[in-house]
Amino acid sequence: NAGVTQTPKFQVLKTGQSMTLQCAQDMNHEYMSWYRQDPGMGLRLIHYSVGAGITDQGEVPNGYNVSRSTTEDFPLRLLSAAPSQTSVYFCASSLGKLRQGNSPLHFGNGTRLTVT
Amino acid sequence: GQQLNQSPQSMFIQEGEDVSMNCTSSSIFNTWLWYKQDPGEGPVLLIALYKAGELTSNGRLTAQFGITRKDSFLNISASIPSDVGIYFCAPYKSGTSYGKLTFGQGTILTVHP
Repeated sequence: NAGVTQTPKFQVLKTGQSMTLQCAQDMNHEYMSWYRQDPGMGLRLIHYSVGAGITDQGEVPNGYNVSRSTTEDFPLRLLSAAPSQTSVYFCASSLGKLRQGNSPLHFGNGTRLTVT
Repeated sequence: GQQLNQSPQSMFIQEGEDVSMNCTSSSIFNTWLWYKQDPGEGPVLLIALYKAGELTSNGRLTAQFGITRKDSFLNISASIPSDVGIYFCAPYKSGTSYGKLTFGQGTILTVHP
């Protein structure tokens, strides 16, 4: 059982380049989300999805696109990379809404992105 | 929106010492979660608190859900080198989408052998 798998683990981009961060989960989880982690700022929500075909914006969505064509996959697209997008990106998934007894949020191991 | 403050931002301690960190919010929640992130990995759930005033232990970890429902603390007793990492609080109101879970800024813990 792989859990949440993120690829690549490391990436360096030049300003203006585009790329897609991949995220896949094999737990049949409804909910998937993307966070970015910056020093002193905790984890900030970029986009999330409550099921295939449904996505919504989080706290810091600008410069990022997402789609959810299948339950398993939730890619994050950087349209035109900027140095401010240098960060560690985490994908997470969970079975359902936040309630006692429900599965906790499961995180991948992150993608470390540097934009020069 | 809600304000969530986690402190301290970082701690440098000797092995064997006890550690305490806390989170306070301007909003009321009915659940507090505590996550730990090991270096180079994603966060993992440590403890979940579901009732105001609840005190829960998990080995050397103890966490409490504040009576006001606006705060929580996490204690680690007799720290060991593998306690190193970043600790996050993440409160929520029941029924909230996981996609909208908000995290504290994190407490970076360094343990010197």
